[in-house]
Amino acid sequence: SQQGEEDPQALSIQEGENATMNCSYKTSINNLQWYRQNSGRGLVHLILIRSNEREKHSGRLRVTLDTSKKSSSLLITASRAADTASYFCATALRYSTLTFGKGTMLLVSP
Amino acid sequence: EADIYQTPRYLVIGTGKKITLECSQTMGHDKMYWYQQDPGMELHLIHYSYGVNSTEKGDLSSESTVSRIRTEHFPLTLESARPSHTSQYLCASSEEQGYLNTEAFFGQGTRLTVV
Repeated sequence: SQQGEEDPQALSIQEGENATMNCSYKTSINNLQWYRQNSGRGLVHLILIRSNEREKHSGRLRVTLDTSKKSSSLLITASRAADTASYFCATALRYSTLTFGKGTMLLVSP
Repeated sequence: EADIYQTPRYLVIGTGKKITLECSQTMGHDKMYWYQQDPGMELHLIHYSYGVNSTEKGDLSSESTVSRIRTEHFPLTLESARPSHTSQYLCASSEEQGYLNTEAFFGQGTRLTVV
């Protein structure tokens, strides 16, 4: 069964607004990663947060991790039309492979 | 831009044909993966490899097979394609760091349609 579950399934905002996506998972993890997928393309790695970290920033991206609640959030600030894509969280278990959630489809309108 | 390449990008093929989807990476990564993804849906791991001569089946049962004879090459083969195999196939690789999972680099995918 899938380890990660993103919420919401779809999100529609205007340019300049912030977008927040959430990811919940079931078991203990080594790290959690966020990826972006433009329509019909491969996935691109955005950010990795380790299980002993609580928050991480990369440009307009901010990721938080709450291991007690088994959840993570991805915040994209000042969204642009080019941010339109699907966003996936992936959890990494010890001695295992990456498991992806179902993704959040983000639409940013000009 | 990731140095991992998949060919072909698009493939339309008749039922019963044998096909091989190619995946190559130039990063020297030991770990390689094949995921299957239907449009707008989640990724399902179908095969992975930890290095040369290592192949494992993933979470999703698949009628495909893989081989890993060279570090840089991880082809996926369907002996007899069926319409149920219609999907997007994504290849990925990552660096080995003990038990840690590092970031994965993905190819552009192969969209397969079996008619």
